[in-house]
Amino acid sequence: GDSVTQMEGPVTLSEEAFLTINCTYTATGYPSLFWYVQYPGEGLQLLLKATKADDKGSNKGFEATYRKETTSFHLEKGSVQVSDSAVYFCALSDQAGTALIFGKGTTLSVSS
Amino acid sequence: NAGVTQTPKFQVLKTGQSMTLQCAQDMNHNSMYWYRQDPGMGLRLIYYSASEGTTDKGEVPNGYNVSRLNKREFSLRLESAAPSQTSVYFCATHREGARNGYTFGSGTRLTVV
Repeated sequence: GDSVTQMEGPVTLSEEAFLTINCTYTATGYPSLFWYVQYPGEGLQLLLKATKADDKGSNKGFEATYRKETTSFHLEKGSVQVSDSAVYFCALSDQAGTALIFGKGTTLSVSS
Repeated sequence: NAGVTQTPKFQVLKTGQSMTLQCAQDMNHNSMYWYRQDPGMGLRLIYYSASEGTTDKGEVPNGYNVSRLNKREFSLRLESAAPSQTSVYFCATHREGARNGYTFGSGTRLTVV
């Protein structure tokens, strides 16, 4: 079945460092890909999405490119802030849109 | 503001007790979902409902029942709570046919002792 694998955390960075969180997927067809963010004590918020190969999703300085040839959707940010500390989830939705399938989440901790 | 509302936000149950988690959406979406979140496991789908009157099992349905009361409401019931059901539960909604993300509620933190 469809699945998502993302790098295990925690990821600990200093403010203004470069961030990469790796995400790869297994799916039939052409899924849509998402990154969700969960701040402490809160629910999940959609951070960005891409719906077809080579699409780049971006939001709040975060970017991710849908790479079908490598089945990847890595999350990047050029300069992280303390306020970016959160748990990040990669997810996919199959073509039927039955449900979202999540990775296990990566905890990011940014210190000043 | 349009969104997904979950109640209660926190609950402590004793083993064997029953309870119902409530979820309501005002986005006029047909599809609704219940997920549970556990450390190191990500979010796992318990049940979903593609439309009013239909429900289907997800990855981890054992120990749960659901009711799609109407288009707005989708409840999750624990008939006899077990410590293994200690988790954070999220309800979500989605507009089918749209390749957009899902909208999540703020969650219910359930502890079974």
